[in-house]
Amino acid sequence: AQSVTQLGSHVSVSEGALVLLRCNYSSSVPPYLFWYVQYPNQGLQLLLKYTSAATLVKGINGFEAEFKKSETSFHLTKPSAHMSDAAEYFCAVTRGDFGNEKLTFGTGTRLTIIP
Amino acid sequence: EAGVTQSPTHLIKTRGQQATLRCSPISGHTSVYWYQQALGLGLQFLLWYDEGEERNRGNFPPRFSGRQFPNYSSELNVNALELEDSALYLCASSTGGYLNEKLFFGSGTQLSVL
Repeated sequence: AQSVTQLGSHVSVSEGALVLLRCNYSSSVPPYLFWYVQYPNQGLQLLLKYTSAATLVKGINGFEAEFKKSETSFHLTKPSAHMSDAAEYFCAVTRGDFGNEKLTFGTGTRLTIIP
Repeated sequence: EAGVTQSPTHLIKTRGQQATLRCSPISGHTSVYWYQQALGLGLQFLLWYDEGEERNRGNFPPRFSGRQFPNYSSELNVNALELEDSALYLCASSTGGYLNEKLFFGSGTQLSVL
């Protein structure tokens, strides 16, 4: 079985500061890993995904994530936070031979940006 | 191009009643997924429909059911509502379910059971 753990249900950073949202995964096979963002009153949008190619993945809106097998981590970062980044972020895991119904989501991290 | 649309936006029911939630996928998408997003629990997979057939269901009781219509829109029915069914129900669509095609989500139906 696969799972993800998101450390910190709430994270607050100042505008312009580094954003770091943590995700650790558990998988018996090479995983596919995703970050989704949910803005208020909207559905989830795909930020980026890792599918066993480059370990540093760049996504939309200046976000990136690095797959670290030795640490079983896929943390999401952004060098400089903007007010518009305030949202809930979900990490998800599956395996390459599975379909979307096997996506396992974390419980989410709510990011607050302090002006 | 229209995104995934869900209706109604909010739904208030009482215990024991039935709820019907609707989803229209992006044009050209044949797969529809339903998720439950309960407070503090993340997204839990409910059901997957593709080409009109139920392909898989998550670990939910049979009173959660649904269907997919010939135009690929979908309905989620929840019978005998319980208080713990209160949650945001999200629908997502994709061009196909087998190769991790990108999911597009609607903004959800907030179901409140009183």
